[in-house]
Amino acid sequence: GQQVMQIPQYQHVQEGEDFTTYCNSSTTLSNIQWYKQRPGGHPVFLIQLVKSGEVKKQKRLTFQFGEAKKNSSLHITATQTTDVGTYFCAGLRDRGSTLGRLYFGRGTQLTVWP
Amino acid sequence: DAGVTQSPTHLIKTRGQQVTLRCSPKSGHDTVSWYQQALGQGPQFIFQYYEEEERQRGNFPDRFSGHQFPNYSSELNVNALLLGDSALYLCASRSGQIQETQYFGPGTRLLVL
Repeated sequence: GQQVMQIPQYQHVQEGEDFTTYCNSSTTLSNIQWYKQRPGGHPVFLIQLVKSGEVKKQKRLTFQFGEAKKNSSLHITATQTTDVGTYFCAGLRDRGSTLGRLYFGRGTQLTVWP
Repeated sequence: DAGVTQSPTHLIKTRGQQVTLRCSPKSGHDTVSWYQQALGQGPQFIFQYYEEEERQRGNFPDRFSGHQFPNYSSELNVNALLLGDSALYLCASRSGQIQETQYFGPGTRLLVL
């Protein structure tokens, strides 16, 4: 079955440093979505990427979707303590019976030291 | 405009008991999916409901069942609870279009003792 792998599992950075999490799928994705979950909270939608090679920016966050639509990354520039949380990628499969079902990565837990 | 709501927020049960969790989708959404998130893991798809029918199902045993009502709200039922069923249960809703964003509710934290 499809698997979405996400690395690293944990990342500890000092405030002001950059952070990147990577997501890789065993199959082609229709789109990929990114979520942030604060400790004790629920996943909150950040962005959706649909096109091959797509790059989207939200202030200090940059999201990329690979050319083959199998991998994606989230990069945060100059982290702040408010960036603390777990970042999940979730892929929507391109075709087949599992259309509409999100496959989540395990998440990258980001800790930011002041 | 209310987002996705879930009840209860927390629940404690003992092994062998049964539990029902409830979800009201975001206004305008007709598709509801349920996910189980164990501690330290990403959400795992349980099943999805559309037009009051189960449309897709993940790798969960028959102890997990659900229902969708005409007003699009949904219930998740788990029978014969096991310790391993302790998790955060998330409901997500979207409109019928597959490419539409899913919105998650705050979840129900279930603890099975």
